[in-house]
Amino acid sequence: QIQLVQSGPELKKPGETVKIACKASGYTFTNYGMNWVKQAPGKGLKWMGWINTYTEEPTYGDDFKGRFAFSLETSASTAYLQINKLKNEDMATYFCARDRGSFYGMDQWGQGTSVTVSS
Amino acid sequence: DIQMTQSPSSLSASLGERVSLTCRASQEISGYLSWLQQKPDGTIKRLIYAASTLDSGVPKRFSGSRSGSDYSLTISSLESEDFADYYCLQYATYPWTFGGGTKLEIK
Repeated sequence: QIQLVQSGPELKKPGETVKIACKASGYTFTNYGMNWVKQAPGKGLKWMGWINTYTEEPTYGDDFKGRFAFSLETSASTAYLQINKLKNEDMATYFCARDRGSFYGMDQWGQGTSVTVSS
Repeated sequence: DIQMTQSPSSLSASLGERVSLTCRASQEISGYLSWLQQKPDGTIKRLIYAASTLDSGVPKRFSGSRSGSDYSLTISSLESEDFADYYCLQYATYPWTFGGGTKLEIK
């Protein structure tokens, strides 16, 4: 069955870098894009952007340009979210979600990865 | 950006009750809307896409509909596992945007 399994929780200091993995299985990885979604503690969901897993071209939401980077390791069917120069406001749970295209939208979700930023 | 105004923000209901949640889109989204359920453990599951198409394996007590710019999720008869947070998501235009969420609690 289709699964997106994310890496475990992270504890980082302000200014550090975190890289979250999202490993896909049960389908051909390069046939579907991958989205990233942020959920701050006690808050709602916010779309960060997506990466085309075929062309490797990323698209970032306006609030996620600069310190955020989407990347891929296609041979391992894995997408990554890297956040550089961590700030307190980056403390959140981050989800990956498969993009099934313009009609279907995001269909499968990872379990989320918690990032704690604390000095 | 398209704003998705979701209501109510919280709802208290009893087992067996019928409930409806609504999202209003600030611009035309042409039915490109999905409904998501988030359980207390954080797990997110999509229930409906394209406004009214039920995802595979989702119980038929869930349904989605559209009336103009208003999109609704209806649960016909609440079961215990339905008490969770619900979000709408428009995927018509980038940036994709979510409603603010509805917390569905047991009365």
